[in-house]
Amino acid sequence: DAGVTQSPTHLIKTRGQQVTLRCSPKSGHDTVSWYQQALGQGPQFIFQYYEEEERQRGNFPDRFSGHQFPNYSSELNVNALLLGDSALYLCASSLWGAEGYTFGSGTRLTVV
Amino acid sequence: TQLLEQSPQFLSIQEGENLTVYCNSSSVFSSLQWYRQEPGEGPVLLVTVVTGGEVKKLKRLTFQFGDARKDSSLHITAAQPGDTGLYLCAGDFPLWAGGTSYGKLTFGQGTILTVHP
Repeated sequence: DAGVTQSPTHLIKTRGQQVTLRCSPKSGHDTVSWYQQALGQGPQFIFQYYEEEERQRGNFPDRFSGHQFPNYSSELNVNALLLGDSALYLCASSLWGAEGYTFGSGTRLTVV
Repeated sequence: TQLLEQSPQFLSIQEGENLTVYCNSSSVFSSLQWYRQEPGEGPVLLVTVVTGGEVKKLKRLTFQFGDARKDSSLHITAAQPGDTGLYLCAGDFPLWAGGTSYGKLTFGQGTILTVHP
């Protein structure tokens, strides 16, 4: 039973560029949440997708957008990258209406 | 806005010592979870506490949820070098539990634990 899969594992981008990160949820899960984790800090909630719609959003600018596909997988897009966007981006999947989140290993994004 | 304050931020101890990490909030959570995270990996769930006053034990780890469901503690007995890592508490209060969110985790800033041999 595969857990949460994220790709790529590492990414280096230049300031101003755009990036797309991908997440496949754990089998049986239908909800995907994205978090940003700065080095040595706790993760910060970006947004959550269920039934292909953004259900809730954290305190992140519109440069951060996402999508969920019919197979429940999800993408996180960040436009106009800033140096401060450098972080570990985590995807967590869950079943809507139930407790329990499973995290992926994350994508380490470095903006130079 | 729900916030979780975690303390201490850093903890450096010798093998065999005991330690306690605290997680406090002014907000009520329907559940509180503790995670351990290794460098370059995602958080791995250790335990979920849901009932006020609940105590759960996981080998040498003891987790407690405050009576008012606003705070929690993690106690490690006889720490070992393998316990080294980032410990995170996270609260949840979704709509289906009477909360105000669709189900998102609010994390503390984490406690970096180093256990020296």
